[in-house]
Amino acid sequence: KNEVEQSPQNLTAQEGEFITINCSYSVGISALHWLQQHPGGGIVSLFMLSSGKKKHGRLIATINIQEKHSSLHITASHPRDSAVYICAVLQGGGSNYKLTFGKGTLLTVNP
Amino acid sequence: NAGVTQTPKFRILKIGQSMTLQCAQDMNHNYMYWYRQDPGMGLKLIYYSVGAGITDKGEVPNGYNVSRSTTEDFPLRLELAAPSQTSVYFCASTNGNQPQHFGDGTRLSIL
Repeated sequence: KNEVEQSPQNLTAQEGEFITINCSYSVGISALHWLQQHPGGGIVSLFMLSSGKKKHGRLIATINIQEKHSSLHITASHPRDSAVYICAVLQGGGSNYKLTFGKGTLLTVNP
Repeated sequence: NAGVTQTPKFRILKIGQSMTLQCAQDMNHNYMYWYRQDPGMGLKLIYYSVGAGITDKGEVPNGYNVSRSTTEDFPLRLELAAPSQTSVYFCASTNGNQPQHFGDGTRLSIL
């Protein structure tokens, strides 16, 4: 069993829909990251959170440490949101920080 | 501010050839990482470094070597290229418990 599981693997939505991507993990963590990767493109960090909720524009990330679960929400989705969204957990401390990644969720938003 | 710069962007190698993937960052980050990304899989950590002169193995280090002679540079060396090393390679850097900054990736094919 992977330490970081994402669902769904693939998601197709119509423009304007509310999107939710889920991430569950099985290890103790320092923080959780949500990353975005466009086709053929690089990887960009969207959020890093260790508790509660963060919001940036139409993106909202939440985390429940007790349940070891995080969600990424996109409100009023747009075709430009089409990308792979990756959940990653940060473990370690002191001089040893490492990320463990989920396999990603491919989101396609149709106009 | 260039961030994390990877070269080359694309490369085709023959089996048994060697090459070095270059990674440089200009943010004075102590932590640097090399990942590989295979289709349908999450990013896997190859090697990482917590500062100049210090490197350590990640999850999938076999067939690779690294060095960290300066804070800025963290090259990844493939000594005897094998088809299993066909992948997209990402370099990243951070200052510990902060979001990682990723390069644009190097797409490597070994034939």
